[in-house]
Amino acid sequence: DQQVKQNSPSLSVQEGRISILNCDYTNSMFDYFLWYKKYPAEGPTFLISISSIKDKNEDGRFTVFLNKSAKHLSLHIVPSQPGDSAVYFCAASSPEGGSEKLVFGKGTKLTVNP
Amino acid sequence: DGGITQSPKYLFRKEGQNVTLSCEQNLNHDAMYWYRQDPGQGLRLIYYSQIVNDFQKGDIAEGYSVSREKKESFPLTVTSAQKNPTAFYLCASSIVGLAEETQYFGPGTRLLVL
Repeated sequence: DQQVKQNSPSLSVQEGRISILNCDYTNSMFDYFLWYKKYPAEGPTFLISISSIKDKNEDGRFTVFLNKSAKHLSLHIVPSQPGDSAVYFCAASSPEGGSEKLVFGKGTKLTVNP
Repeated sequence: DGGITQSPKYLFRKEGQNVTLSCEQNLNHDAMYWYRQDPGQGLRLIYYSQIVNDFQKGDIAEGYSVSREKKESFPLTVTSAQKNPTAFYLCASSIVGLAEETQYFGPGTRLLVL
C-alpha cells in the first residue's frame, strides 16, 4: 500500500515556464513533508520542506503548497531552468513513525527543455 | 567541509559473496540510514540507527546486516542471502530530537552482481 504517491512518472516543460510536480498521500498522520531532487547516479539533495501547520513555503524559485484536506502537496518551480532537469521525490513523516521513517514517493522525472 | 561519504562508487559482487558498503559522516548527526533504490522506484528503508550500538530494521532488511560502532560510521553488509542485490544504495543521516528532521544523503554506491 503506497502511502505517498507521485502519479506522474515524468513531466516536460519549456525553459522559463512553471513546473508543477504533484504528490498525494493517504496517511492523515503525516505532519512533515519534504521534496528532494536527484540527478542520475547521485544521492538525493534536500530541496524544500513544509510542516502541516503551514499551507505554503517558499524558497527562491521553489514553492511548496500543502492542501491537508485533499492530502495533496505540490512543488512549483518558477521559472524552470534546464539545470532543474532531475528526478524529484516527495517524502513524508509522521510523529508515530518518527522522522526516521520517511516515506518516499516513486519520483517524477522533470525535463526542462531549452 | 561537512558531509556524507560513501565508498566505493561502484561495487561488484560474485555469487555467494558478502560485500560491505561504507558510509561515513562528519555532520555530528546521531541518526544514520540505509536505503535501496531500484529503477522507477522510490527509496526503501533497509536499516536505521539513532544511536551508537543500536539499530533497527527497516522495510526490507532481509539479506542485509549493519553495525554502528562509531557515531560517524554505519557500514552495510549485503550478504549472500540477498538474492537480488543489484541496486543503488544510499546512506543518509539526520539530527535526532528535532520536531522536523531532514535527512541528508550521501552520493550512493551502485552494486552490481557478476
